[in-house]
Amino acid sequence: ESVLTQSPGTLSLSPGDRATLSCRASQYVPNNYLAWYQHKPGQAPRLLMSGASSRATGIPDRFSGSGSGTDFTLTISRLEPEDFAVYYCQQYGVSVQTFGQGTKVEIK
Amino acid sequence: QVHLVESGGGVVQPGRSLRLSCEASGFTFSNYGMHWVRQAPGKGPEWVAVIGNAGTVEYYADSVKGRFTLARDNSKNTLYLEMNSLRVEDTAVYYCAKEAHKYAGPWYFDLWGRGTLVTVSS
Repeated sequence: ESVLTQSPGTLSLSPGDRATLSCRASQYVPNNYLAWYQHKPGQAPRLLMSGASSRATGIPDRFSGSGSGTDFTLTISRLEPEDFAVYYCQQYGVSVQTFGQGTKVEIK
Repeated sequence: QVHLVESGGGVVQPGRSLRLSCEASGFTFSNYGMHWVRQAPGKGPEWVAVIGNAGTVEYYADSVKGRFTLARDNSKNTLYLEMNSLRVEDTAVYYCAKEAHKYAGPWYFDLWGRGTLVTVSS
């Protein structure tokens, strides 16, 4: 099973700031099968990115994904008030898909 | 509007059973594999199980294999999770999730429900 480690655990930023979230896998992720989700309390999780860098339908271009192999990054270029949430990465390339423990982006 | 709505959660004693449902709307339910993902308090999500679009293929996480059973009724656009022999460590919010690609494909999810809370406690 591939363990995903997300860092930092919490990111304290202001609207307009740039956010950089990291996701490191314990095993190589084939085909860059890495997704990112946004989750707000009481809401359904929302798919942001698949294949490490392909934005899902309706996701604004301030969100971008990069990386390959075992190291992946989600970048939010300029934080909007609605972007403060918890973000999870998920690998689906290695048998038994796994999720990271999350990065909380909070208002500073 | 595309939606997934889970129901059936609650408080249950260890060793007992519970059945969760997930009602889908706004898309052709019978075209997609469906999953359950759970999230225990303070932890990241954990994949639980998947059922293929026709209901003929199922896979389970080792942590629930032999205790949980998936089913789906494509005529009712509903997914079910029968949970038996529940343990304290099964306490979590349970989400149903839709695969992003028709019929079969990489297991990532473009639609989730809001979840239903299952608490296993004596």
